[in-house]
Amino acid sequence: AQKVTQAQTEISVVEKEDVTLDCVYETRDTTYYLFWYKQPPSGELVFLIRRNSFDEQNEISGRYSWNFQKSTSSFNFTITASQVVDSAVYFCALSEAGFKTIFGAGTRLFVKA
Amino acid sequence: DAMVIQNPRYQVTQFGKPVTLSCSQTLNHNVMYWYQQKSSQAPKLLFHYYDKDFNNEADTPDNFQSRRPNTSFCFLDIRSPGLGDAAMYLCATSEGQGGPTDTQYFGPGTRLTVL
Repeated sequence: AQKVTQAQTEISVVEKEDVTLDCVYETRDTTYYLFWYKQPPSGELVFLIRRNSFDEQNEISGRYSWNFQKSTSSFNFTITASQVVDSAVYFCALSEAGFKTIFGAGTRLFVKA
Repeated sequence: DAMVIQNPRYQVTQFGKPVTLSCSQTLNHNVMYWYQQKSSQAPKLLFHYYDKDFNNEADTPDNFQSRRPNTSFCFLDIRSPGLGDAAMYLCATSEGQGGPTDTQYFGPGTRLTVL
């Protein structure tokens, strides 16, 4: 069965600190996709990244980076030099064959000035 | 800008009074989804349309129905809202066939309050 675990319910950091959001997933499929979404206070989920199960290459996009490790079934997200505008709820999600995407419970990030 | 639009952003209804939430998209995507997100919880898929084909999740209550009259619009009907249906309702779209590769684009949500 699919499962996504985001063990960190809330994280609070001071601006300019680096922060890593953890995501651990469970799946029996060999082909699957992992996503990160950001949900700011306005409510809209914003797509950040998609990664397929065959591509373990880490990715960097500006201050964001993602570390995908199949050996530990983890897809962690790091924000470097955090800013107040990064404050949001971040969801990790898993999608297998078929339509359904399973979301983790989310991690609420507070970045204080 | 192409986008997913949800109206209204806030909806208040009375216990048992039918309510309809609206979603429209200018992305021309084949697939449209409805999610329910309760406070501090993950979004939960209720159902989706691939074109005109309706796909209901097994655990979606019968109280929830959906209509998609054309590519651009999709409606969520709650026939008899209960207090437990108070939540944020998120509409999303994706292109392609809605498989696992699809990236979903979300609207801003409609926050439903049931009195």
